[in-house]
Amino acid sequence: DTGVSQNPRHKITKRGQNVTFRCDPISEHNRLYWYRQTLGQGPEFLTYFQNEAQLEKSRLLSDRFSAERPKGSFSTLEIQRTEQGDSAMYLCASSFGNGGNEQFFGPGTRLTVL
Amino acid sequence: AQTVTQSQPEMSVQEAETVTLSCTYDTSESNYYLFWYKQPPSRQMILVIRQEAYKQQNATENRFSVNFQKAAKSFSLKISDSQLGDTAMYFCAFMKQGNAGNNRKLIWGLGTSLAVNP
Repeated sequence: DTGVSQNPRHKITKRGQNVTFRCDPISEHNRLYWYRQTLGQGPEFLTYFQNEAQLEKSRLLSDRFSAERPKGSFSTLEIQRTEQGDSAMYLCASSFGNGGNEQFFGPGTRLTVL
Repeated sequence: AQTVTQSQPEMSVQEAETVTLSCTYDTSESNYYLFWYKQPPSRQMILVIRQEAYKQQNATENRFSVNFQKAAKSFSLKISDSQLGDTAMYFCAFMKQGNAGNNRKLIWGLGTSLAVNP
């Protein structure tokens, strides 16, 4: 399968714990996005990478959130000291080029914070 | 700031019939892209159709077509000959064009849950 993959698919954690999610984009895609989707809502933008550079971070992202994309390949999203309000589906998407090209989405990681 | 509004939280249609999903948006940009994405139950988001704002011709993809009214800032999706597999959440999304290298983030509506009934 050459699509966008995300791991793990599900994560249950206790409040206060740290979690890390991984996204593997389509190999030739230079742009990578993280979105968060809560139940009954549309996705909300979190952060964006062009190659290895993190070019924008949403104000929704507190200091407890950090993302990396070493060598412009896979990306990780870490949440420190999780809170119940962090419970959501975390979506990763990738695209190629500079135009309004389609973003291809992964299956998401569903986080539940108890 | 751009906003996207989908005023129909839920809709239903009989198999083989036609249904139209509404979307309006607000922007001061003149160049942008609009998208409809589909999210089937427990499955990932996939692109249904894409429209470039500078194109007057409405986009079509097989049974899916849009009615793009730039002046009214309206972008509705028509699904013809509805099939059971069309049952999904449908999201309208906006992308600013901007300059090369700029963030191409999608700004999303709340979605419309479409049920196709046999």
